[in-house]
Amino acid sequence: GAVVSQHPSWVICKSGTSVKIECRSLDFQATTMFWYRQFPKQSLMLMATSNEGSKATYEQGVEKDKFLINHASLTLSTLTVTSAHPEDSSFYICSAGTSGRADYSDTQYFGPGTRLTVL
Amino acid sequence: AQSVAQPEDQVNVAEGNPLTVKCTYSVSGNPYLFWYVQYPNRGLQFLLKYITGDNLVKGSYGFEAEFNKSQTSFHLKKPSALVSDSALYFCAVSPPRGGYNKLIFGAGTRLAVHP
Repeated sequence: GAVVSQHPSWVICKSGTSVKIECRSLDFQATTMFWYRQFPKQSLMLMATSNEGSKATYEQGVEKDKFLINHASLTLSTLTVTSAHPEDSSFYICSAGTSGRADYSDTQYFGPGTRLTVL
Repeated sequence: AQSVAQPEDQVNVAEGNPLTVKCTYSVSGNPYLFWYVQYPNRGLQFLLKYITGDNLVKGSYGFEAEFNKSQTSFHLKKPSALVSDSALYFCAVSPPRGGYNKLIFGAGTRLAVHP
């Protein structure tokens, strides 16, 4: 149980283009979804928190116009990296949390990650 | 400032021996405590959590963790390590401020289990 998927698992794009990453909770309704960024050999950095149907809350220093987050349903959140540049290359990981199932509550379940490379 | 410390970058253990991966935290109130494991080029897998109750919590794959409030520690343990346990382990805490809605991660500890 508590499966979270991400698509694509890896993407290579040209500088200046936009890339969309999808995060889905497969067997539960995710009331809250989180987006993280992980640099090589480093820990996870929280980028933003999104609740279904409302605007995302971005962490300090994260450009909301560059990293667009949409949490359109209880099972889907998307992160769009707009006008990507090489410095945006990273491993992006989403997680989902729910208050709807007692056995899954209070825990974030993570997707497998998306490796973005911007040329 | 709230923080999580994993003092060891790497832990080396022989297969069959017990292992401990250390974690201490500096968070006000009574946070929730978590351990996650990450395999190469993969997301994080949930291992176990402590919210309240018994200080020793058992999780997936034979792992357990001991909560020590006075030492603000939450060390991960396993009685007998397997080579397949080799991975990157993250300790994380969820502070009560904000409704336990965020995770603060430690830097991670790489566990290497040798045959």
